Amino acid sequence: NAGVTQTPKFRILKIGQSMTLQCAQDMNHNYMYWYRQDPGMGLKLIYYSVGAGITDKGEVPNGYNVSRSTTEDFPLRLELAAPSQTSVYFCASSYSKDYRYEQYFGPGTRLTVT
Amino acid sequence: AQRVTQPEKLLSVFKGAPVELKCNYSYSGSPELFWYVQYSRQRLQLLLRHISRESIKGFTADLNKGETSFHLKKPFAQEEDSAMYYCALQHRHGGSQGNLIFGKGTKLSVKP
Repeated sequence: NAGVTQTPKFRILKIGQSMTLQCAQDMNHNYMYWYRQDPGMGLKLIYYSVGAGITDKGEVPNGYNVSRSTTEDFPLRLELAAPSQTSVYFCASSYSKDYRYEQYFGPGTRLTVT
Repeated sequence: AQRVTQPEKLLSVFKGAPVELKCNYSYSGSPELFWYVQYSRQRLQLLLRHISRESIKGFTADLNKGETSFHLKKPFAQEEDSAMYYCALQHRHGGSQGNLIFGKGTKLSVKP
C-alpha cells in the first residue's frame, strides 16, 4: 500500500493564480483531512470529509475549496492564491473518527506564493 | 476554547539523559490526547495515545487532568529520538468529533 500520497511536492505560485493540490489514499478510509502548517506553528485543519460527497469546514477554510467524489481522492483547490497561503499542506486519512483509529499523513506539499 | 500548548520550541539533551517534552491543554470535557512525531525526511506519524497507556520506543505519557497536562517522557534519550514532536487533542463530541488540534511542536535534539 502506498498509504496517503500527495502531489506535487513543491510548487511556486504567483499571486492570483489557482491550483489544485492532489491527495489520494489506498486504505479505503472514510475520513480525509487537509491541514496547513505555517513556519513555527502547529497544523491547522482546513477542510475534512467523512465520506464521498460529504465535506465540511475546519478551522481555516477561507481561500480554499474541496470536493470528494470518490473514497480515494480528496483534492484541495486554491483560488486566487495569496502570500498568506504560503505554507506546507498535509493531507491525512483515517478509518474512523474514533480515537482508536489514528490519522495517517501524506508527505506534504510545500507551496510558496509570491 | 480548545487549545494545545507546547511551551518549548527546542529541547536539546545529551544521549542517555532523561527527556520530558511538555504539553498542556485546554478542553471542556474529557480529552483524547496523542503524541505525533516527525523524523527527518519522514511523514508525520502517531507515536502514542493516552488511552492505550502504552510505551512506544521507550516513551510514555501520562494524562494529568488536574494539571491539564500530557507530558512525554523517556528516561534515556537516544540520538535516533531526534525529531519534531507534536501533542494533539482530539474532539470527542459534536460535529467536530475526531478532528485533531495540534500544538506548535517541540524539536528534540539528542546530542552524542
